[in-house]
Amino acid sequence: AQSVTQLDSHVSVSEGTPVLLRCNYSSSYSPSLFWYVQHPNKGLQLLLKYTSAATLVKGINGFEAEFKKSETSFHLTKPSAHMSDAAEYFCVVSDQDTGFQKLVFGTGTRLLVSP
Amino acid sequence: DGGITQSPKYLFRKEGQNVTLSCEQNLNHDAMYWYRQDPGQGLRLIYYSQIVNDFQKGDIAEGYSVSREKKESFPLTVTSAQKNPTAFYLCASSGITRSNQPQHFGDGTRLSIL
Repeated sequence: AQSVTQLDSHVSVSEGTPVLLRCNYSSSYSPSLFWYVQHPNKGLQLLLKYTSAATLVKGINGFEAEFKKSETSFHLTKPSAHMSDAAEYFCVVSDQDTGFQKLVFGTGTRLLVSP
Repeated sequence: DGGITQSPKYLFRKEGQNVTLSCEQNLNHDAMYWYRQDPGQGLRLIYYSQIVNDFQKGDIAEGYSVSREKKESFPLTVTSAQKNPTAFYLCASSGITRSNQPQHFGDGTRLSIL
């Protein structure tokens, strides 16, 4: 079965500095991977997805992620943090072993952005 | 705009009471899902439905029930058998379930015990 591990429960950055949120996955297939963002008391919004096309995936709000099969990683980055980026981020893998699109969620990384 | 509407935003349950959370979508999606979110944890799947009049248990279905009488609607009932119902509940929908299409989420319902 597929799984994801988000390596940091909290990440703190200053506004204008780079963001790195780390995610490692485990999958017996070529996986579909997603990053979602959740603001307080809101649902999840898709940032980007990897589906076996280009390994560098660009998403919304300046975020991007690189799929590295050799490292089984899918880290999320942004060159310059903005205050509005403060939120919870989830790395997600689509489980291909089931007969439907089952998503397996990481435990989340809370991004804190200070002025 | 197309999207998913969950109601109510906040809900309180008394001991021994069943409560129903509403989820409506106008995205014309076939598949719908219910998740439970607890602090410090990822989302866990309660129930899912791939087509009208059909639904399947997810990983934590005990104490919950659902129905799928219309394509647009997938209500979740939290029964009195669910002893720890306090959580944030999220509804989602997606297109063809075997594809890599992303799921779209509502804004959630926060359920608390009185």
